[in-house]
Amino acid sequence: GAGVSQSPRYKVAKRGQDVALRCDPISGHVSLFWYQQALGQGPEFLTYFQNEAQLDKSGLPSDRFFAERPEGSVSTLKIQRTQQEDSAVYLCASSLYRQGATYEQYFGPGTRLTVT
Amino acid sequence: AQSVTQLDSQVPVFEEAPVELRCNYSSSVSVYLFWYVQYPNQGLQLLLKYLSGSTLVKGINGFEAEFNKSQTSFHLRKPSVHISDTAEYFCAVSAYSGTASKLTFGTGTRLQVTL
Repeated sequence: GAGVSQSPRYKVAKRGQDVALRCDPISGHVSLFWYQQALGQGPEFLTYFQNEAQLDKSGLPSDRFFAERPEGSVSTLKIQRTQQEDSAVYLCASSLYRQGATYEQYFGPGTRLTVT
Repeated sequence: AQSVTQLDSQVPVFEEAPVELRCNYSSSVSVYLFWYVQYPNQGLQLLLKYLSGSTLVKGINGFEAEFNKSQTSFHLRKPSVHISDTAEYFCAVSAYSGTASKLTFGTGTRLQVTL
């Protein structure tokens, strides 16, 4: 079946521009995660959705970062007034959900953002 | 909070040789443990996971890992590597928080397999 898809795969933005990154999770997956992976580093957690509810946004680095999942399916990560330090690969992951259980997270291919 | 340490940033190995990628973690609560592999320009793929039960876990592509609670380690092993195993490997932990099991990753180990 179809996995997690992300678009665009590559994005070049000039410093100060706004960008929007899209994630299409696996159908039926309630949980959706965003991670940021800087060059040469492991992914770092940004935010988590359970259906349309954003239950954890503790990893968002600044108020320039905003994420939404209005219908509990597709999610968009928006970065306003991009800065050079925002250059990274942004990974989306989805998983099943049941309270008290831990399920495998399935990752998309990522969006590589370069801010010039 | 949890943290993961992968001490080896790069591990060169010849094809058909055994390999061990080291992972140590720190946490004040019980955790679940994972190994992911990342091929160039691709997302992360789960190799194996430890949730409970037997401390020796077998995964895909012939990899296995052993959970050692006293040493807080979860080292990844393969008895004979192939060229196609060349990739970045990430160890990760999660602790169920009541809402989500977000992953905390190490910095990764680059496995380079040569002839």
